[in-house]
Amino acid sequence: KNEVEQSPQNLTAQEGEFITINCSYSVGISALHWLQQHPGGGIVSLFMLSSGKKKHGRLIATINIQEKHSSLHITASHPRDSAVYICAAPYGGSQGNLIFGKGTKLSVKP
Amino acid sequence: DAGVTQSPTHLIKTRGQQVTLRCSPKSGHDTVSWYQQALGQGPQFIFQYYEEEERQRGNFPDRFSGHQFPNYSSELNVNALLLGDSALYLCASSLGGLLAKNIQYFGAGTRLSVL
Repeated sequence: KNEVEQSPQNLTAQEGEFITINCSYSVGISALHWLQQHPGGGIVSLFMLSSGKKKHGRLIATINIQEKHSSLHITASHPRDSAVYICAAPYGGSQGNLIFGKGTKLSVKP
Repeated sequence: DAGVTQSPTHLIKTRGQQVTLRCSPKSGHDTVSWYQQALGQGPQFIFQYYEEEERQRGNFPDRFSGHQFPNYSSELNVNALLLGDSALYLCASSLGGLLAKNIQYFGAGTRLSVL
């Protein structure tokens, strides 16, 4: 069992829809990362959060440390949001290395 | 201010050969982590370098080795290449070593194909 689980694996939405991607983890962590990977490989760090909620533009990330669960929301989705979204947790509680989920492939149709 | 840069972008090798991948961290960062991402999978941690030493290592054989230079740039070396080593290799930089709570910045990756 992967220590970081994401759902759904694939997600297709219409432009303008509100999108939620979920991440559950079994390791004890102090913070969780949300990353975006476009075709071709480049990864962009979206958020690192340890409690509560963070917002950047149309992206919102929430985390509940006690429940070991985090969500990434995209409001008013757009085709350019199409990418793979990955959550990652630091292994062993330190920031030494990251354990990645398998990613959620999002496709937003115009 | 350049972000994390990796070279080369693509590489084709044959089984048994050796390969060296390079990474320059984001300006001001002193810690470099390397990840292997197989097709359709999430990245897997290989190792992390801080202060020119390997500080943490994932579950990868000794064929995978690395180095960090005084300017904080890093190399990943893979010896005796296997077909299964074909993957995207990602480098990420951050500040402050193992206990840092700073975000990691990723490079675009090097796509290695082993034939």
